[in-house]
Amino acid sequence: NAGVTQTPKFRVLKTGQSMTLLCAQDMNHEYMYWYRQDPGMGLRLIHYSVGEGTTAKGEVPDGYNVSRLKKQNFLLGLESAAPSQTSVYFCASKETVVPEQYFGPGTRLTVT
Amino acid sequence: AQSVAQPEDQVNVAEGNPLTVKCTYSVSGNPYLFWYVQYPNRGLQFLLKYITGDNLVKGSYGFEAEFNKSQTSFHLKKPSALVSDSALYFCAVRDGGTYKYIFGTGTRLKVLA
Repeated sequence: NAGVTQTPKFRVLKTGQSMTLLCAQDMNHEYMYWYRQDPGMGLRLIHYSVGEGTTAKGEVPDGYNVSRLKKQNFLLGLESAAPSQTSVYFCASKETVVPEQYFGPGTRLTVT
Repeated sequence: AQSVAQPEDQVNVAEGNPLTVKCTYSVSGNPYLFWYVQYPNRGLQFLLKYITGDNLVKGSYGFEAEFNKSQTSFHLKKPSALVSDSALYFCAVRDGGTYKYIFGTGTRLKVLA
């Protein structure tokens, strides 16, 4: 039981490049979330999903897109990376009836 | 609007002393409150939650938190700090009746040997 995994762990992009971050969970959780963590700002919600095939915007969705084609996977895409998207990205999941979230180990992204 | 505040960027405490990490919140309706811990280069780990019931909630690693409705606070406590408790602690609240969660800015706890 791996829990929540994130791929890749580190990535460096040039401005304007695109990439996709993958989050996978093996706990059959309905809800999945993408956050970004920046110094002094805590975690901010980018997008989330309440089930397979659904997505919704969080607090800071601009510049990001997501897809949840399979229940166990939640993809975060950056179509045209900007230096302001340099951050640590965390994925989380949770069960329907249990309110606490389970977090992945994070992806450190640097955009130059 | 729902919000969470952690007024201290850093808390220093000597090993063996009690520790408190503060959190205040603003929500409509009954709050669902959480504490998470983050060790260096790791994801967040759930420590404890308050949904309803006793105001004193016990969690992992000897941590507890006290819910105070009148002061809208949910402070994290531990009777005797360990050096290994040194980490970044986040308070979070569920956003009303949604499935979204709002996190505080985090408090770095440093336990000195």
